[in-house]
Amino acid sequence: ELKVEQNPLFLSMQEGKNYTIYCNYSTTSDRLYWYRQDPGKSLESLFVLLSNGAVKQEGRLMASLDTKARLSTLHITAAVHDLSATYFCAVDIGTYNQGGKLIFGQGTELSVKP
Amino acid sequence: DGGITQSPKYLFRKEGQNVTLSCEQNLNHDAMYWYRQDPGQGLRLIYYSQIVNDFQKGDIAEGYSVSREKKESFPLTVTSAQKNPTAFYLCASTRTGLAGELGETQYFGPGTRLLVL
Repeated sequence: ELKVEQNPLFLSMQEGKNYTIYCNYSTTSDRLYWYRQDPGKSLESLFVLLSNGAVKQEGRLMASLDTKARLSTLHITAAVHDLSATYFCAVDIGTYNQGGKLIFGQGTELSVKP
Repeated sequence: DGGITQSPKYLFRKEGQNVTLSCEQNLNHDAMYWYRQDPGQGLRLIYYSQIVNDFQKGDIAEGYSVSREKKESFPLTVTSAQKNPTAFYLCASTRTGLAGELGETQYFGPGTRLLVL
C-alpha cells in the first residue's frame, strides 16, 4: 500500500525557533511537492522537488529531497507567526503516459506563538 | 487573471439527492483533478482527467461521477450512492496531461464545502 507519512502532525513553536517537518514515503518517486493550507482555504504550492538531492529555499522555509531514503524535509528557520498553517507533502506517482498523480501526507499543523 | 474557480462555495445536500460541483479553469491546462479533504486529513484523489473526453478513477471514486466535455470544465457529481459526502472538495489543474512533462505542480481552486442536511 502506498503511504506518505508526515511527522509531526502537530507542531507548536515559539517565534524565532527552528524546526523540521519530515515526510516519508513508501514508493519509488523522484517528484515531491510541498503545499501550504491556511484554515478554511485552498492549497498553495510552496516547493517542487524533482530529483535526488534537490534543495529549494524561499524565505524562512527550505525543502529537500532524498529519494534513496524516500524522505523529504521542510525546515523552518526563525519561525514567525505568519508561518502558522497546515503543511502538506505530496508524492507524484504518475507515469509518462498517465500524467501526474499525487498521494498526499496527512498534513502538519504548525502553530507559531510569540 | 488566470485561475481556477469552483462553485458554489457551500452546498447542502438532502438525503438521496445528487448534487454537482462546478470547476472551471482559464489557465489552458490539460489536466484536471478532484480531491476530497476530510477534517484534519490530507487530500484523497476522486477522479482525474488528462485530456478532454477522458477521465480516470482515483482512490475513492465510488459514489462520484465526472465529465470532461470541454478543456476548461470538469464538473463533479456527488450521487446518492455516496453515503458520507460531507467534506471539503478541491479541484486542481496542471499544464500538461498525457505524455507531457512530469513534475508539474498542481494549482488548486478555492474549494466547495459540502454539507448534508
